[in-house]
Amino acid sequence: GQQLNQSPQSMFIQEGEDVSMNCTSSSIFNTWLWYKQEPGEGPVLLIALYKAGELTSNGRLTAQFGITRKDSFLNISASIPSDVGIYFCAGFYQGGSEKLVFGKGTKLTVNP
Amino acid sequence: DARVTQTPRHKVTEMGQEVTMRCQPILGHNTVFWYRQTMMQGLELLAYFRNRAPLDDSGMPKDRFSAEMPDATLATLKIQPSEPRDSAVYFCASGRDRANEQFFGPGTRLTVL
Repeated sequence: GQQLNQSPQSMFIQEGEDVSMNCTSSSIFNTWLWYKQEPGEGPVLLIALYKAGELTSNGRLTAQFGITRKDSFLNISASIPSDVGIYFCAGFYQGGSEKLVFGKGTKLTVNP
Repeated sequence: DARVTQTPRHKVTEMGQEVTMRCQPILGHNTVFWYRQTMMQGLELLAYFRNRAPLDDSGMPKDRFSAEMPDATLATLKIQPSEPRDSAVYFCASGRDRANEQFFGPGTRLTVL
C-alpha cells in the first residue's frame, strides 16, 4: 500500500525553540492532515490542507501542502512543554480509496 | 463538546476469550472507522462504515474479527477468540459523508494474556 515517510522520528528541543517536521510520499496526495497524539489519548486533528501550496495556521502551528502534492510540512513556533506528544501526518492519495494513510509519527520532547 | 466516545478504555483478557469494544460516533457523523495502533505497525485501518453499512473491512482478520453498527449511535468491534497478538490500542473515528476530516475517540487499550 501507499506509505508516508515522516521525519524526523523524534526530536528533543528546548522550550522556546521552533520545530519543523515533514512528510513525503512517492504518490500525489489530495489532502493532508496533521494530528497530535498525547499519551493515553486518541489523535487530535490539528490542521487540514486541501490544495497544493496551501498554508494554514492554527495558533503557533503552521502547515503547508507541498507544491508537488507529494509532501507536507508542519512547523511549531516558540515551543512550550505542552507541545509534547507524537505528531502524525496523514492523507488521502490521488486515485486511492477513502482510506487515510498515516505516517509513523514524530515524537516531540520539549525540555523546560 | 462533541466527541467520539469508546468503552471500555482498558481491557485485559485471557487468550481465547471474546472481546467487545464499543464506539459512539459524534452526533450527525455517518461514517465510522476502526483503527488499530501498535508500536510496530503504527495506525492501521481495520474497517469502516457509512450510514451503518460496511464499506471496507479488508484490514480486518476475517476469521476472528467482526465489526457492526447496530444503530447510528453505536459501532462495535468484536474479537473471538482473542489472541496475544491482538494486544493493541483500538481507535474509533467518525466523520461526515466523504469529508476528509476524521475525529478520533480516546481508544481501547487491549491486552490479551
